[in-house]
Amino acid sequence: DAKTTQPPSMDCAEGRAANLPCNHSTISGNEYVYWYRQIHSQGPQYIIHGLKNNETNEMASLIITEDRKSSTLILPHATLRDTAVYYCIVQGRDFNKFYFGSGTKLNVKP
Amino acid sequence: SAVISQKPSRDICQRGTSLTIQCQVDSQVTMMFWYRQQPGQSLTLIATANQGSEATYESGFVIDKFPISRPNLTFSTLTVSNMSPEDSSIYLCSVALGQNYGYTFGSGTRLTVV
Repeated sequence: DAKTTQPPSMDCAEGRAANLPCNHSTISGNEYVYWYRQIHSQGPQYIIHGLKNNETNEMASLIITEDRKSSTLILPHATLRDTAVYYCIVQGRDFNKFYFGSGTKLNVKP
Repeated sequence: SAVISQKPSRDICQRGTSLTIQCQVDSQVTMMFWYRQQPGQSLTLIATANQGSEATYESGFVIDKFPISRPNLTFSTLTVSNMSPEDSSIYLCSVALGQNYGYTFGSGTRLTVV
């Protein structure tokens, strides 16, 4: 199963875009990239996922490089409520297990 | 997406006792997952629970310590047996709705063993 590497923490000013990077250099061709976040020890919350193309929903945008070895989650206008740990996950080989890495603690500051 | 109800939300238990955590889903799902999150750490997958078969445990987790039941497609329990302070964690259940739909998590059970 592909592993992911994320910076342990990042700061972002309120109202600015937050760009969270993730490296997944061993990703396989049929594996998806998922992003989740966990706010203050609540259950993780799904944000977005993608395979090859860039994706956008009401919460965020996901940019996947052409070689698929890395991706970036973009929160276009970060608010204080976006302060959380963000996890980048590559779906396991059997498509039915999630293995969490250490994630990025995003601190949104006023 | 599915709605997951997890009980209890928190508990404080004596060492040597056992606690059973319940996970109820509002729709039928094939696979359910149990995770542990130790203080300040990420989530670690404990086991996968399929209805009608034995749970599949990840490395480092054994059935005697974390027995799991999956009596139907909407319900599962995880028991933390013979607890010690090292078992103090948040335990979460999760369901998979398919590759294109992501995974939904319960709100977790915060367990403190004293």
